[in-house]
Amino acid sequence: NFMLTQPHSVSESPGKTVTISCTGSGGSIATNYVQWYQQRPGSAPTTVIYEDNQRPSGVPDRFSGSIDSSSNSASLTISGLMTEDEADYYCQSYHNNDLWVFGGGTKLTVL
Amino acid sequence: EVQLVESGGGLVQPGGSLKLSCAASGFTFSGSAMHWVRQASGKGPEWVGRIRSKGYDYATAYALSVKGRFTISRDDSKNTAYLQMSSLKTEDTAVYYCTVLGVSSSFDYWGQGTLVTVSS
Repeated sequence: NFMLTQPHSVSESPGKTVTISCTGSGGSIATNYVQWYQQRPGSAPTTVIYEDNQRPSGVPDRFSGSIDSSSNSASLTISGLMTEDEADYYCQSYHNNDLWVFGGGTKLTVL
Repeated sequence: EVQLVESGGGLVQPGGSLKLSCAASGFTFSGSAMHWVRQASGKGPEWVGRIRSKGYDYATAYALSVKGRFTISRDDSKNTAYLQMSSLKTEDTAVYYCTVLGVSSSFDYWGQGTLVTVSS
């Protein structure tokens, strides 16, 4: 089974940079695109990165995504942290067996 | 504007059945694959399954955790997708969302979700 593993939580101070990892197992993470979603309490997820490193319109360029094939992982980097970035973040990809997979999520605290 | 509105959630006993609906508007529903994703309280989203369009023979795919118990269908004349859930287990308790891919590979549009509680 293809799985995506994320750290449970990360924290950083306003203005700093934080990176959230998403490690694939049971397959190569580079085979299919990775997306990143932001979710605030009581709301549905919203896309912050699609197709590994693309930003939807309206998402600040403080958000960036990357893939590292050597570690079979994807990363979401948020620079110039703002208190409004505090949320849960989920990576998501697609497995060749016609299955969509989400990571378990990372709670970002900006303190 | 794309809108997805889920309905049909509620309290059901273990072993019971429930049918959810997802009414869609603002895009070409008949040409779009429709997905269902669920999220248990305090947990990450879990993809449940999807149904493709008529051009792909309404092909369905399901997560292993629901395969054989859940069935996704659609009525293009009503712009509505359905999730029929049977043999429900307590671990099926979650908010159920319908969602659709945008022009990219991401789930760009989500409904507000409907809560399904499986409990005796």
